[in-house]
Amino acid sequence: GIQVEQSPPDLILQEGANSTLRCNFSDSVNNLQWFHQNPWGQLINLFYIPSGTKQNGRLSATTVATERYSLLYISSSQTTDSGVYFCAVANTGFQKLVFGTGTRLLVSP
Amino acid sequence: GAVVSQHPSWVICKSGTSVKIECRSLDFQATTMFWYRQFPKQSLMLMATSNEGSKATYEQGVEKDKFLINHASLTLSTLTVTSAHPEDSSFYICSARDPRGPNTIYFGEGSWLTVV
Repeated sequence: GIQVEQSPPDLILQEGANSTLRCNFSDSVNNLQWFHQNPWGQLINLFYIPSGTKQNGRLSATTVATERYSLLYISSSQTTDSGVYFCAVANTGFQKLVFGTGTRLLVSP
Repeated sequence: GAVVSQHPSWVICKSGTSVKIECRSLDFQATTMFWYRQFPKQSLMLMATSNEGSKATYEQGVEKDKFLINHASLTLSTLTVTSAHPEDSSFYICSARDPRGPNTIYFGEGSWLTVV
C-alpha cells in the first residue's frame, strides 16, 4: 500500500516564528488533506490539496503531485497552533485515507 | 459546524462488556464511512471501511468479530467493541466523504474508550 512519511517528527518554535512541514508519499494520489489534531483528539481539516497551492490566513499548502510531496507552511506561529499535524492521502475511488506519521508542533510563548 | 458527529466522546467500560460507538453524517448521505484507531502519540490506523447495506471491509490484522461494524442507514455507522479488554483502550474516530463536493473527507470528534 501507499506509504506516507512526514518530517520533522517534532518541532519546537517560539511564538511568531515560521515553519514548514513536509509530507512525502510513495505513489500517485487523488486526494491529499492536511489536518491539525488538537489536544482533545479532534481532527480539523486544514486543506484539501491533491495538487497546487492554497492559502488560508497564516497557513498555506503546496502539493507537487509529480514529485510526490506536499508542504504545509505556518507563518507567525501562535501557541494555539500547537498540536499534531497530519497529512493523509488516498489513491482509490473509495477515498480510503492513509495517514502520515505526523509532526508534533509545540509553540512556546 | 461539524458535518460528522460521533458519540459518545468518552466511555469507560468493564472488561468483558461490549460498547457501541456511533458515527453520523449530519447533512449529507454517506454510502461509505471509515473507522480509525489511534494509540497514544501514534498516527491513525484504518480499521475498516463501512459500506451502507453491506458488510464492512476490514484491514489486515483487524478482527472482524471483535470490532463489529454496522452501516444500516446512509447517515449512521456503528462500531461495537465486543468483549472489551484493557488493550482495546484507545481513541476511535470515524470519517465520511461528503459526495456533494470534492473528495474532502470529514472526521467525527472521536471517542476515547477506556476498558477497566
